[in-house]
Amino acid sequence: QQQVKQSPQSLIVQKGGISIINCAYENTAFDYFPWYQQFPGKGPALLIAIRPDVSEKKEGRFTISFNKSAKQFSLHIMDSQPGDSATYFCAPKATGGSQGNLIFGKGTKLSVKP
Amino acid sequence: DAGVTQSPTHLIKTRGQQVTLRCSPKSGHDTVSWYQQALGQGPQFIFQYYEEEERQRGNFPDRFSGHQFPNYSSELNVNALLLGDSALYLCASSFGTKPYEQYFGPGTRLTVT
Repeated sequence: QQQVKQSPQSLIVQKGGISIINCAYENTAFDYFPWYQQFPGKGPALLIAIRPDVSEKKEGRFTISFNKSAKQFSLHIMDSQPGDSATYFCAPKATGGSQGNLIFGKGTKLSVKP
Repeated sequence: DAGVTQSPTHLIKTRGQQVTLRCSPKSGHDTVSWYQQALGQGPQFIFQYYEEEERQRGNFPDRFSGHQFPNYSSELNVNALLLGDSALYLCASSFGTKPYEQYFGPGTRLTVT
């Protein structure tokens, strides 16, 4: 069963614009919410992560917003650059015994046009 | 400071054969997780090793097995290869107290013909 639904599947943004990627989850027992960035031919790179006791976290141009009641968290990329063109994955972790099991979404392919 | 390294980079095997993939974790990390990433999909968790033991396992058949060595490096073994095993195999390392904060290697591209 799909526990994590990521949207949109693909996104085209102009340079300097804001990119927004969303992740909705079904299992309430997630306690760690990271976003990963993956370039073609490379492994995913940890971009930014948030815990459920915080509603927003910002690191440079990247911001995570977390809405616990709606079971959603989103990634905002401000001032998007062509170098941000990559596939982005949300990958929340379930609580309890699943200490290592990140559940990846299907990914969002971002293209930033110059 | 070396990140996560994996070998080989690419591998071509025939259906029914066996394969071994290798991973060295990031310096200071003691936990290794393995993921399978099919083309156009997100990675799927196979299993995680800590203190040389399998700590957690995803929904993969027993054909997938692993090992962790005293120096924290790890191997992923897949027996009786199927065409559907063709994928990018990713290794991620983390520290024992934060097993979820995972850093990935570049992966091994396995093609089964």
